[in-house]
Amino acid sequence: EDQVTQSPEALRLQEGESSSLNCSYTVSGLRGLFWYRQDPGKGPEFLFTLYSAGEEKEKERLKATLTKKESFLHITAPKPEDSATYLCAVGTDKLIFGTGTRLQVFP
Amino acid sequence: DGGITQSPKYLFRKEGQNVTLSCEQNLNHDAMYWYRQDPGQGLRLIYYSQIVNDFQKGDIAEGYSVSREKKESFPLTVTSAQKNPTAFYLCASSFRLSTDTQYFGPGTRLTVL
Repeated sequence: EDQVTQSPEALRLQEGESSSLNCSYTVSGLRGLFWYRQDPGKGPEFLFTLYSAGEEKEKERLKATLTKKESFLHITAPKPEDSATYLCAVGTDKLIFGTGTRLQVFP
Repeated sequence: DGGITQSPKYLFRKEGQNVTLSCEQNLNHDAMYWYRQDPGQGLRLIYYSQIVNDFQKGDIAEGYSVSREKKESFPLTVTSAQKNPTAFYLCASSFRLSTDTQYFGPGTRLTVL
């Protein structure tokens, strides 16, 4: 059965304290891995798409990487405005979403 | 500005009533989707459509119906047959199915009173 697991469920960081979020998956026929950011009460905002193992993408303080079994979202020197839930989704014949990591960055 | 709009933002329904959630996109995307989001669960696919006048059931289609009469519009009806309709509903669109990035609207929160 296709499955996507995100860890940790919640993460509290002090401003400037770098860390990583994990998205592990077991799917047949990966067609892409997607990262989204979601603020409370809003729709997910697209961040990155990764298609093949070894691929990396960066945007400001965020960097996404992909292996054959998992993806990491690295957050470097986070700020309070990075606080949100980060969702991972794997594309097969549809998108399969993880349950997200709720990130809180405090000053 | 290109994007996806959903209305209303909040919707309250009495038990036994059907309600329709609106979703419009001006991104010229062919594919559109409806998801349901509940606390502690990943987004779950309700229905999707690849082209006008064609749509497919997702994982949790029971109690829902859709139409796709225009490329830009994909309304979702939550019927009285849906046993637990209180949730956050998200509409998304992409150029094509499967491998293309999906872009989401702002969501509609439905509460059954």
